[in-house]
Amino acid sequence: DVVMTQSPLSLPVTLGQPASISCRSTQSLVYSDGNTHLHWFQQRPGQSPRRLIYKVSNRDSGVPDRFSGSGSGTDFTLKISRVEAEDVGIYYCMQGTHWPFTFGPGTKVDIK
Amino acid sequence: EMQLVESGGGLVQPGGSLRLSCAASGFTFSNYWMHWVRQAPGKGLVWVSRIDNDGSSRDYADSVKGRFTISRDNAKNTLYLQMNSLRAEDTAVYYCAKGGVDCWGQGTLVTVSS
Repeated sequence: DVVMTQSPLSLPVTLGQPASISCRSTQSLVYSDGNTHLHWFQQRPGQSPRRLIYKVSNRDSGVPDRFSGSGSGTDFTLKISRVEAEDVGIYYCMQGTHWPFTFGPGTKVDIK
Repeated sequence: EMQLVESGGGLVQPGGSLRLSCAASGFTFSNYWMHWVRQAPGKGLVWVSRIDNDGSSRDYADSVKGRFTISRDNAKNTLYLQMNSLRAEDTAVYYCAKGGVDCWGQGTLVTVSS
């Protein structure tokens, strides 16, 4: 199985400051169709996961533009340009290229 | 608006069975793969199973292979997960997700305990 790692696992951030989460995979996530199926999810306390970013860098509808994704191959990053209180939660990267699909362990973002 | 609503969770003894359902609305259900993902209490997300749009292709995580069966009824816009020979380690919130994982249900809790 493809193993997804994230760092850091805990990220205390000051309101209004940027945040960055790294995600790495043990295999390239480029699919045979040329797409890279690496997605980012936010899970707020007590809620279901919500997809924020799909295929590395595409923001889902309704996702604030302070969220951005980048990367290629096996190395990816989620950035929040200015953290707001509503961004508290756990962030997961997920690969949908190789079955079984796998998630990273999650990065807990909270406010300092 | 796309919506997925899971049901069927509950408390079951080890070795028992449960059938989860996921009712879909707001999109053309028969056009999409569907997935089950679970989350043990305080833990991360783990893929359980997936099924293609007409039910002809199904995949399972090794941990549930031979015990769980995914199925769907496109006429009823409903996804199912039949869970047999349940173990304590199957205790989790079970989510259904639409192909593309852009829509998730609220989850249903399965607790396996004597």
